Amino acid sequence: QVQLQESGPGLVKTSQTLSLTCTVSGDSMTSANFYWSWIRQPPGKGLEWIGYVYSSGSTYYNPSLQSRVTMSVDTSKNQFSLKMTSVTAADTAVYYCARNLDYWGQGTLVTVSS
Amino acid sequence: QSVLTQPPSASGTPGQRVTISCSGSSSNIGSNYVYWYQQLPGAAPKRLIYRNNQRPSGVPDRFSGSKSGTSASLAISGLRSEDEADYYCATWDDSLNGPSFGGGTKLTVL
Repeated sequence: QVQLQESGPGLVKTSQTLSLTCTVSGDSMTSANFYWSWIRQPPGKGLEWIGYVYSSGSTYYNPSLQSRVTMSVDTSKNQFSLKMTSVTAADTAVYYCARNLDYWGQGTLVTVSS
Repeated sequence: QSVLTQPPSASGTPGQRVTISCSGSSSNIGSNYVYWYQQLPGAAPKRLIYRNNQRPSGVPDRFSGSKSGTSASLAISGLRSEDEADYYCATWDDSLNGPSFGGGTKLTVL
């Protein structure tokens, strides 16, 4: 059974860059043509797709966040990453990584504060 | 504003059957599989239904999914107090070239 685990700082200062990594276990990221996503959920609100990356490195981002988001993959470590620049309080959320829409990590809370 | 439309709330009494709807368009629900998730307070979303009506192992058969045209539904029969949670629908959106989600439905067991 594939498992995903998010990691990264829980507190990021306003205007700085948020960086998270998702480590995949139980299967190789290259075993099939899955897409590897980042999804977030602000406190008390719904789910928002941020973007996804294929094991080839191809990326697709939500148009509403595209200008601030970069995703990458390291298949040798079975990891993929998210960077979001110029963060504000509105980016405070639980960030989830996921494989397609099937398997999700437990999520990590990132708080943006000055 | 979510791409998929769900009622913000639903309720039922123990033992009842409750349905939650999810409305979309031809570019999302109309042409792709629908997923349903249950989210308990403080927890990550748990996959209840995939590919419109398939249940992962361990999900009780009280939960069932269906899809017709550009809409989908989640039905919960034999409602229990532990079913009180937020429920989300999701699917791929061809226009967005990515996944889209419903706004979530808060289910209250009276």
